[in-house]
Amino acid sequence: QSALTQPASVSGSPGQSITISCTGTSTDVGNYNYVSWYQQHPGKAPKLLIYDVSDRPSGVSDRFSGSKSGNTASLSISGLQAEDEADYYCNSYSSSTTLVFGGGTKLTVL
Amino acid sequence: QVQLQESGPGLVRPSETLSLTCTVSGYSIISSYYWGWIRQPPGKGLEWIGSMYHSGSTFYNPSLQSRVTISMDTSKNQLSLKLNSVAAADTAVYYCARAPMLLGSGWYSPKNWFDPWGQGTLVTVSS
Repeated sequence: QSALTQPASVSGSPGQSITISCTGTSTDVGNYNYVSWYQQHPGKAPKLLIYDVSDRPSGVSDRFSGSKSGNTASLSISGLQAEDEADYYCNSYSSSTTLVFGGGTKLTVL
Repeated sequence: QVQLQESGPGLVRPSETLSLTCTVSGYSIISSYYWGWIRQPPGKGLEWIGSMYHSGSTFYNPSLQSRVTISMDTSKNQLSLKLNSVAAADTAVYYCARAPMLLGSGWYSPKNWFDPWGQGTLVTVSS
C-alpha cells in the first residue's frame, strides 16, 4: 500500500501563509472528494482539521483551508502562529485500500 | 460528548497476539458510524488498521488483513483489536476513532476521516 506523498517539512514565519501538498493517484485523491487533514502535536492524538477536501469541523479556525486539483490536495494555513507548529497528515478514500494516509509534514514556525 | 479510551497490555512478546480494547462513552457504538483503529510507530506516520460497523461490516488495511481481527461488544460499548504474530515492527501507539459512513447504491463503507480520537496507547513488542 503506497502512502500519499507529502513534503517532509515546511516552514514559515509568524503571520505568513504556507501550503502543504498531498499527492495521490487516480484511485484515491484524484477520484474522490474525500480528503481530510489532521494536526498532531507531540505526544497528542491527531486532531481533524479538514474533511471532504475543504470542510472544517466546528471549532477549527478559518485560518485552515483545504483544496484539491487533480491528484493533489492542499492544506493552507494563513496568519501562521507559533501554536501551528506541529505535524500534519492528509488522508484519502481509496478504491483499492479503502483509505490511505500521507507520510506527514512537519511544520516549523520560525 | 463522545470520548474514546484505549486499554490493554503495554508489552507483547514477539509472535504472540496483541489485544486492545477501546471503550466508548457518551455515544452508542450502535449508531450510523464506523469505529476504527489507527496506529503510529514511534517517530513515524499514521497507518490505518481497519474499521467496523455494528452490523458486522468490517474493512481492513490489505497489508495487515491476514493478521487483524476487529470486533465489537455492543453490551459494553467497546471495540476490540487483535493483531496476531506480532513483531518489533508492530510497536506503535494504537488509536481508536470514529468515522462517518459513506453510503452508496446498495453498499456502504467507512469514510476516510476520523473524529474524535482516543488518546492512544503505546504497545511495545519485545522479548
